[in-house]
Amino acid sequence: EVQLVESGGGLVQPGRSLRLSCTTSGFTFGDYTMSWFRQAPGKGLEWVSFIRSITFGATTEYAPSVKGRFTISRDDSKSIAYLQMNSLETEDTAVYYCTRDTSSWYRSDYWGQGTLVTVSS
Amino acid sequence: DIQMTQSPSSLSASVGDRVTITCRASQTIRSYLNWYQQKPGKAPKLLIFAASTLQSGVPSRFTGSGSGTEFTLTISSLQVEDFATYYCQQTYRTPYTFGQGTKLEIK
Repeated sequence: EVQLVESGGGLVQPGRSLRLSCTTSGFTFGDYTMSWFRQAPGKGLEWVSFIRSITFGATTEYAPSVKGRFTISRDDSKSIAYLQMNSLETEDTAVYYCTRDTSSWYRSDYWGQGTLVTVSS
Repeated sequence: DIQMTQSPSSLSASVGDRVTITCRASQTIRSYLNWYQQKPGKAPKLLIFAASTLQSGVPSRFTGSGSGTEFTLTISSLQVEDFATYYCQQTYRTPYTFGQGTKLEIK
């Protein structure tokens, strides 16, 4: 059974940093692109970032709203994806979801349950 | 960025009804269009990818169609468990973008 479990969320002050983890099981992690999405309270979904598999160079892309502040990475030996979030802003408050992505007709076919990040003083 | 516009934003319907949700892209996205269903407090669930391909395990009452800039999601006979919020998403070009969502409520 495919499982993704996010962790690392919490309350943080503006300007500080936080690292989210996505611990996975039930599939060959190294074969897949992994993504992060977020959803602000009461709002819609926003794509944040993805990291391709090492086969495709582990290349990354970011939403303009987080580019330069967030860094996605992966540890294939541990089957974990990370999202390092620096210079956090109140607008970054959201539930953050990690996903397993299938590159053919790119889609996020498995989602974690989400972790809440609250940026507030 | 490619803008995705869904209509309607909300919809009231009854069990057994046929409903259609429309999603328009601000430029062509060929068939790089996904549909997700989200229930309150839960993660989104992939329903349809490549505009019209049903994800494994999704009931056949869900159908997607369209290409280019206009797409639809149709639920042929609403069931109680279908009342949720639906999002379209383009994956033609980054940043991948979503429609604002359509909240489907029980009449």
